[in-house]
Amino acid sequence: DAKTTQPNSMESNEEEPVHLPCNHSTISGTDYIHWYRQLPSQGPEYVIHGLTSNVNNRMASLAIAEDRKSSTLILHRATLRDAAVYYCILRDLNTGFQKLVFGTGTRLLVSP
Amino acid sequence: GAGVSQSPSNKVTEKGKDVELRCDPISGHTALYWYRQRLGQGLEFLIYFQGNSAPDKSGLPSDRFSAERTGESVSTLTIQRTQQEDSAVYLCASSFLAGPQQPQHFGDGTRLSIL
Repeated sequence: DAKTTQPNSMESNEEEPVHLPCNHSTISGTDYIHWYRQLPSQGPEYVIHGLTSNVNNRMASLAIAEDRKSSTLILHRATLRDAAVYYCILRDLNTGFQKLVFGTGTRLLVSP
Repeated sequence: GAGVSQSPSNKVTEKGKDVELRCDPISGHTALYWYRQRLGQGLEFLIYFQGNSAPDKSGLPSDRFSAERTGESVSTLTIQRTQQEDSAVYLCASSFLAGPQQPQHFGDGTRLSIL
């Protein structure tokens, strides 16, 4: 299975943009890139996903490199509520796409 | 509410007892998933349901663990003869369809503590 690599932790100040990187150098052409986050004492929450093109939704933006070997989750204005562990997950169209395989993620700290 | 609901939110039991954990998925969601999260660790997949069938049980750690889903709705995860290593947060998720584009919507889990 294609794997992802994320920094263990990042820090940001409130109301500043945050760019969370993810490397997936062995990604296949049929892998979708998903991002989830987990706030303390809660279940994971879906954030965004994409295949090749950049994506925007009400929560965040997803920028996907042209070669698809990396992606970046962008929070345009961090709030204290955005402090969470962010997971970058690949889901293959052909195999094992039902389950989410969580790595260690990036712990985002947001300071007032 | 409209989200995934899990009960109980907390369960404390003695080693050797059986426990049942319940999950009510979002109405109309055909796919349902169970995961486990031990303290300070990532999520481990346990089992996936499509409708009432379980095409993938590969994550169930032993034959003490079983799960069922009825009416293409509620699901129950049963752990028999619990052991201390079963202590974890058990999370349920559902999605409208099973597919690589489908977001999974999680409940807040059942925190299981085995004394």
